[in-house]
Amino acid sequence: EVQLVESGGGLVQPGGSLRLSCAASGFTFSRFWMHWVRQVPGKGPEWISHINTDGTTTNYGDSVKGRFTTSRDNGKNTLFLQMSSLRAEDTAIYYCARDVGWNQADYWGPGTLVTVSS
Amino acid sequence: QSALTQPASVSGSPGQSITISCTGASSDIGGHDYVSWSQQHPGKAPKLIIYDVSKRPSGVSNRFSGSKSGNTASLTISGLQAEDEADYYCGSYTSSSGGFVFGTGTEVTVL
Repeated sequence: EVQLVESGGGLVQPGGSLRLSCAASGFTFSRFWMHWVRQVPGKGPEWISHINTDGTTTNYGDSVKGRFTTSRDNGKNTLFLQMSSLRAEDTAIYYCARDVGWNQADYWGPGTLVTVSS
Repeated sequence: QSALTQPASVSGSPGQSITISCTGASSDIGGHDYVSWSQQHPGKAPKLIIYDVSKRPSGVSNRFSGSKSGNTASLTISGLQAEDEADYYCGSYTSSSGGFVFGTGTEVTVL
């Protein structure tokens, strides 16, 4: 069974940093592109990043470009999102998701809440 | 990148069919066959129900079907059931950024 579990969310002050992790199991993690998607409760999802199978290629949405960095450790079946210079508008539930082709996501984790507030 | 446009709400009676539209541009829906639809129940993560415009993942009911014409994609739910009451989001690969753009979301109500 494919499982994705995010962790590392919490309350952080504006301008601060946070690192999210996503533990993957039930599939061969190293064979799949992975995504980070966020969603403000009550609003639609927003794609923010993807990473290729060996971690050499990443892409980011305009709203996080230059502030967020996605990486992965295939030996530990884990995806990461390093977030810096956080703003109030980054407050959202952050999901990791597995790619099924051309940025479409088939499996999603339950999400982790990030709150940016003083 | 602007979000794809969906109607805010659609409703139908049990057993009926409903269709949700998703309008984009030539850089996303109109230019590629990489359109997906996800179902989201309150407090849950989205669940993929359609990808590549019209393909269903294993385990997804054949009551869900997808199509595309020009810059508009559509999701049809036939034989509407109470469990179909949820939010539905379309999404598409976009060549303008090499990323992905989601729709504004449609709330489906079963009367």
